[in-house]
Amino acid sequence: NAGVTQTPKFRVLKTGQSMTLLCAQDMNHEYMYWYRQDPGMGLRLIHYSVGEGTTAKGEVPDGYNVSRLKKQNFLLGLESAAPSQTSVYFCASSIQGLNTEAFFGQGTRLTVV
Amino acid sequence: GESVGLHLPTLSVQEGDNSIINCAYSNSASDYFIWYKQESGKGPQFIIDIRSNMDKRQGQRVTVLLNKTVKHLSLQIAATQPGDSAVYFCAENRGTNAGGTSYGKLTFGQGTILTVHP
Repeated sequence: NAGVTQTPKFRVLKTGQSMTLLCAQDMNHEYMYWYRQDPGMGLRLIHYSVGEGTTAKGEVPDGYNVSRLKKQNFLLGLESAAPSQTSVYFCASSIQGLNTEAFFGQGTRLTVV
Repeated sequence: GESVGLHLPTLSVQEGDNSIINCAYSNSASDYFIWYKQESGKGPQFIIDIRSNMDKRQGQRVTVLLNKTVKHLSLQIAATQPGDSAVYFCAENRGTNAGGTSYGKLTFGQGTILTVHP
């Protein structure tokens, strides 16, 4: 099993450009999450999904959109990138949301210049 | 606001010593806690978890202790090895949100950098 796979692994964007980060999981998990990690801080939840076709806002949703058209994929979009969105982005999935561990991808390092 | 935090941002130990990493949480409604290990350039990796109806849980070389009275969580690593060097995060699952639906969103602490010297 590949687990949770994120693409791309690295990306540099210019301010105002758009891009989509892809997360794929092969564990048939219902719940999927997008986090961002900034230096000296823990992971902060951006958006999450409790199942195919559903999405919800997390702690820091502004400037991001997500879609969960297929159960195994969770896409994170930046419509107009800003330098403040320079971060490492992690996708995670869990078999159910409550009281179960989340499995994380390897991360996407995004730099907005 | 409510948060999960760590007492010690860095910890340096000698190989073979026992390590203790601490975490404080403020939400008494939290009912599930996880410790993650994150190595450089990688995503967080599950180490051990504990539910609020327990005060101790043991894994391979690791033990998690939960003190609900003082809202404190600790991770003990026995016979620490250089491969244990990483950032360790505690995370809490608050269970139920304001709407009464449990989505299991994890709230992470700041992280502790553990360095093991040979």
